[in-house]
Amino acid sequence: ETGVTQSPTHLIKTRGQQVTLRCSSQSGHNTVSWYQQALGQGPQFIFQYYREEENGRGNFPPRFSGLQFPNYSSELNVNALELDDSALYLCASSFGWVFIDGYTFGSGTRLTVV
Amino acid sequence: GDSVTQMEGPVTLSEEAFLTINCTYTATGYPSLFWYVQYPGEGLQLLLKATKADDKGSNKGFEATYRKETTSFHLEKGSVQVSDSAVYFCALSPPGGGFKTIFGAGTRLFVKA
Repeated sequence: ETGVTQSPTHLIKTRGQQVTLRCSSQSGHNTVSWYQQALGQGPQFIFQYYREEENGRGNFPPRFSGLQFPNYSSELNVNALELDDSALYLCASSFGWVFIDGYTFGSGTRLTVV
Repeated sequence: GDSVTQMEGPVTLSEEAFLTINCTYTATGYPSLFWYVQYPGEGLQLLLKATKADDKGSNKGFEATYRKETTSFHLEKGSVQVSDSAVYFCALSPPGGGFKTIFGAGTRLFVKA
C-alpha cells in the first residue's frame, strides 16, 4: 500500500503571497489532518477533513484554508503569507476521525517565507 | 485543556546505553497515548501506542506503559543504537477519539558510537 505523499517538498515564498500545498492520503484512509511544525517544536493541529468536509480546526486564522477531494487527497491553502508561517507542514491520514490507531504522516513540505 | 509535557533535550547517550524519555500528560478521562519518532528530513512515524490504563505499547525494542495514577507514558529502551538518533514526540488523542492529536515539544536523542 502507498503511504502519504506531499508536494512540493520545499517552497520559498515572499511575504503577502499565497501558497497551496498538496497531500495524497494513504490507500484506504478517508481522513486527512494538517499540522504545522515550527523549527524545534511539536506539530500544531491546523484542521482536519473527513469525507470532504472540515471536521475540526485548531487555533489558526481563516487565511489557512483547505479542501478534500472525492479521492480523499487534500490541499492546504495559506493566503497573505507572513514570516511566522515558515515551518514544516505535515499531512496525516487515518481511517475515520477517531484516532485510536494513530496517524500515517507524510514527509512534509518545508515552507520558507522571506 | 489537554496537554503533553516531555523532558527537554538533547539527550546524548553512548551505544548500548539505557534510554528513558519522560512524558506526562494532562487530560480528562482516558486518552489514547502515542510515541512518534522523526528522523532528519522526514515526517513523523508512529512508534508505539497504548489506549487504556496499564497497557504497554512496544515496538523495535522501545516500550512505554500507560500510567493513569501518575499521568505518565515514559519511553524506554534497554540498549540504544546509533540508528535510534532522532526526535521523539509524545502525543495524546482525547478520550473517545476526537479530531486532533496533541503533541509534546519533542526530545532529541543523539547516540554516539
